[in-house]
Amino acid sequence: GAVVSQHPSWVICKSGTSVKIECRSLDFQATTMFWYRQFPKQSLMLMATSNEGSKATYEQGVEKDKFLINHASLTLSTLTVTSAHPEDSSFYICSARDTWTASYEQYFGPGTRLTVT
Amino acid sequence: GQQLNQSPQSMFIQEGEDVSMNCTSSSIFNTWLWYKQEPGEGPVLLIALYKAGELTSNGRLTAQFGITRKDSFLNISASIPSDVGIYFCAGFQGGSEKLVFGKGTKLTVNP
Repeated sequence: GAVVSQHPSWVICKSGTSVKIECRSLDFQATTMFWYRQFPKQSLMLMATSNEGSKATYEQGVEKDKFLINHASLTLSTLTVTSAHPEDSSFYICSARDTWTASYEQYFGPGTRLTVT
Repeated sequence: GQQLNQSPQSMFIQEGEDVSMNCTSSSIFNTWLWYKQEPGEGPVLLIALYKAGELTSNGRLTAQFGITRKDSFLNISASIPSDVGIYFCAGFQGGSEKLVFGKGTKLTVNP
C-alpha cells in the first residue's frame, strides 16, 4: 500500500520550453501532496504544498509563476516547469499524505530527473 | 527553514557490523520519521515514531523517539551490502504538516 508514482522518470528539454511532471497516489487518496527539489548530495527542499481543489502554497523563494502546480483530483498533482533554464535541472520528487489517516506520514514518489539543455 | 542536525554525515563499515545514526533539534518534534534513499530513487519510509520514548523495530532496524522530543536515533544491526544508501531523519513540529529533514547519513557497506 501507499504507493506514489511519478511520470516521467527522466526528461531532457531545451531551454525555454515547459515540462510537466505528474505525481499520482496509486492506492490511496491524497488531498495534500508536496513537491520537493533535490540537488546532488543534498537533502530534500520543499518547494510547495499542493492541495486538491485549491491553490498551492509555495515556500519562500520559489517562483509560483515558474513552477505551476495543479491538483485537480484526489490522486493527481502536476508540476509544470515553465520556460525552463539549465539552472532548473534537478531531481524533483513528490510526496503524498493519505487523506483518511490521522498521521502526517508522507509517501514519496520515485522522482523525476530533469535536464535542461 | 529549520533543519535537523543529523550525524554522522557518512559511514564506511564492514558487512556484519552494527550502525547507529542520530538526529537532534533545538526544538520539539511531535513525530519522527526515518527514510532511506537509494541513488536515483525517492525516499522510502522505514520507521515512524509518534510518542516520546517510543522504541520501534522494523527487521534489523530499530529507532527511538527521544524522551525530550528533540532527538531520535536509528540503529541497523548486522549490516548487509543492500543497506547502502542515504538515510534521512525527518520530523513534524506542532500542527505543521511540513516535513523538516536532516541532511542525511550516507552509508557504505563493504562486503
